[in-house]
Amino acid sequence: TQLLEQSPQFLSIQEGENLTVYCNSSSVFSSLQWYRQEPGEGPVLLVTVVTGGEVKKLKRLTFQFGDARKDSSLHITAAQPGDTGLYLCAGAPDAGGTSYGKLTFGQGTILTVHP
Amino acid sequence: ETGVTQSPTHLIKTRGQQVTLRCSSQSGHNTVSWYQQALGQGPQFIFQYYREEENGRGNFPPRFSGLQFPNYSSELNVNALELDDSALYLCASRGGSYYEQYFGPGTRLTVT
Repeated sequence: TQLLEQSPQFLSIQEGENLTVYCNSSSVFSSLQWYRQEPGEGPVLLVTVVTGGEVKKLKRLTFQFGDARKDSSLHITAAQPGDTGLYLCAGAPDAGGTSYGKLTFGQGTILTVHP
Repeated sequence: ETGVTQSPTHLIKTRGQQVTLRCSSQSGHNTVSWYQQALGQGPQFIFQYYREEENGRGNFPPRFSGLQFPNYSSELNVNALELDDSALYLCASRGGSYYEQYFGPGTRLTVT
């Protein structure tokens, strides 16, 4: 069974601070996705990383996939209150097209950014 | 283009009862996945349907079953409800885009 461990589980910071969320596994994933979920809504896809060592940037968010494809990180620069939410990493089990519907999710990181 | 919709929004059932949850996939999407999200946890994969056939199943007992219809909408059925079945049930659909799946807002099921 593939598992993903996220850390920290909770993060409470002030506006303008930087933060990093980690997602680790003992298993290899063909790709990693990061989602953000707000109360009362389903998760929304932020990014997909596919290649070991890959780095993707989305405005103030930087995502990295580990060289061995077992871990990933999400770094937010100059956090804003609008970044508040539940951040989830999710791994696809294999490279097949249908695998993106069979994701293994981490337990999530609840981020609160105070003004 | 409408997004993924789920019904009902909330549901309260008694232990031992049966429940059916519904999902309408995004227009043109032929793959639907169901996930269970317990409070304070990440979603757990239940099963996936592709063109009306089950295509992958997570670690859930047979009392969790599903259907996909010719219009690609889907149902999740849970028999003999247990207290631990209380969770947010999420449906997600995928279409032509390889990586992207779109989640509905979920159905909050409470079993008492």
